[in-house]
Amino acid sequence: DTGVSQDPRHKITKRGQNVTFRCDPISEHNRLYWYRQTLGQGPEFLTYFQNEAQLEKSRLLSDRFSAERPKGSFSTLEIQRTEQGDSAMYLCASSLASWDDQGDTGELFFGEGSRLTVL
Amino acid sequence: AQTVTQSQPEMSVQEAETVTLSCTYDTSENNYYLFWYKQPPSRQMILVIRQEAYKQQNATENRFSVNFQKAAKSFSLKISDSQLGDTAMYFCAFRSNAGGTSYGKLTFGQGTILTVHP
Repeated sequence: DTGVSQDPRHKITKRGQNVTFRCDPISEHNRLYWYRQTLGQGPEFLTYFQNEAQLEKSRLLSDRFSAERPKGSFSTLEIQRTEQGDSAMYLCASSLASWDDQGDTGELFFGEGSRLTVL
Repeated sequence: AQTVTQSQPEMSVQEAETVTLSCTYDTSENNYYLFWYKQPPSRQMILVIRQEAYKQQNATENRFSVNFQKAAKSFSLKISDSQLGDTAMYFCAFRSNAGGTSYGKLTFGQGTILTVHP
């Protein structure tokens, strides 16, 4: 198992462009989370998937942001019409648990993140 | 809504010494988890230690231990015999265990940058 992988690791784009990040979770994990981390701050929750269902979205996730997990495996996070305030590290994490949290140790396994710089 | 506060932006310690990182949190729930995660420079975040709120005994993992004060809503991390590899940003995190719509998401503090000096 190679852990959670994210691609690309770094992305520099101009304001107004669209960007897409991909996350491959640990293969047997059914829960997948996206977080955003700005410099010197703790990660902030963006959205969560249980299998292919997107079950929660933060108010931080404006309508320019969309996330998918079409087959319950990898996930993509797309940001349309990027703004300079979108510059951040986008972290993906995964875990394994049933709907009633049985078997859930609470630990999230994180990827190394995708750093976005909007010029 | 839960909040997690880490009041120490930066800490430093000499190698082999002991250091304590502070964390306080605010919640109305009684059933939850608390975590310390470590984020080394340019590396992914990894779990250091976990505490379940219903357990009175403080969690320990080798050189890492916590002081969990439920009534005071305080959750500090003690690192003994500090090593150079402990240099990282440390995050305190809260997770509801009440089921419902929590879905295991974590609420993080702002982080504490720990530097271990040789």
